Amino acid sequence: QSALTQPASVSGSPGQSITISCTGTSSDVGGYNYVSWYQQHPGKAPKLMIYDVSKRPSGVSNRFSGSKSGNTASLTISGLQAEDEADYYCCSYAGSSTLVFGTGTKVTVL
Amino acid sequence: EVQLVESGGGLVQPGGSLRLSCAASGFTFSSYCMTWVRQAPGKGLEWVANIKQDGSEKYYVDSVKGRFTISRDNAKNSLYLHMNSLRAEDTAVYYCARKYRYYDLLTGYYRSVDAFDIWGQGTMVTVSS
Repeated sequence: QSALTQPASVSGSPGQSITISCTGTSSDVGGYNYVSWYQQHPGKAPKLMIYDVSKRPSGVSNRFSGSKSGNTASLTISGLQAEDEADYYCCSYAGSSTLVFGTGTKVTVL
Repeated sequence: EVQLVESGGGLVQPGGSLRLSCAASGFTFSSYCMTWVRQAPGKGLEWVANIKQDGSEKYYVDSVKGRFTISRDNAKNSLYLHMNSLRAEDTAVYYCARKYRYYDLLTGYYRSVDAFDIWGQGTMVTVSS
């Protein structure tokens, strides 16, 4: 149950697109299409942005999209906005009804 | 309003015990799997435990197995986390969260997914002498 690996930080200018990677193993990310992504602003609870690799819950902007290739999942934020500045965490099903989160990525809007 | 409110956190000595509670409102609590997730100060999220709708199945991260017990009381719309033999590394904000489910128009059934759509505000647990 090792944490999934994410870059510590990613930055971009308003209007640009950025991509956050989430690398695991064949026992978690690579083995199931059950990757979710969460946005967390300082001092706040996480917010679900993506589930099942690429699906968006109702109310989440279509500027957020998810994908997966092999053992690596990705979250892309297009048309970057100031309010997107936050921490982002991936999460994957890891078998036997357990889950594992990523190490987290701080997104900075320049 | 759909809401989860945690309580029960506080300062406890190493080796001590604590029970966290999570009060649910605004939805049919008994229809949802629930979970606890924690976040150590300045650190990332860590999944702690899951419980099925009827409490029949429970799952834990290895680091808390044998020390923590997740439970629920559907009559009281409440989720609990009983924590024993607490260690300094258990210091964290503890969040309860609802497992996301949606109505699948193709099948006509609700589908539960491995993601969490409603979160509480968290309760802080500090383990220190």
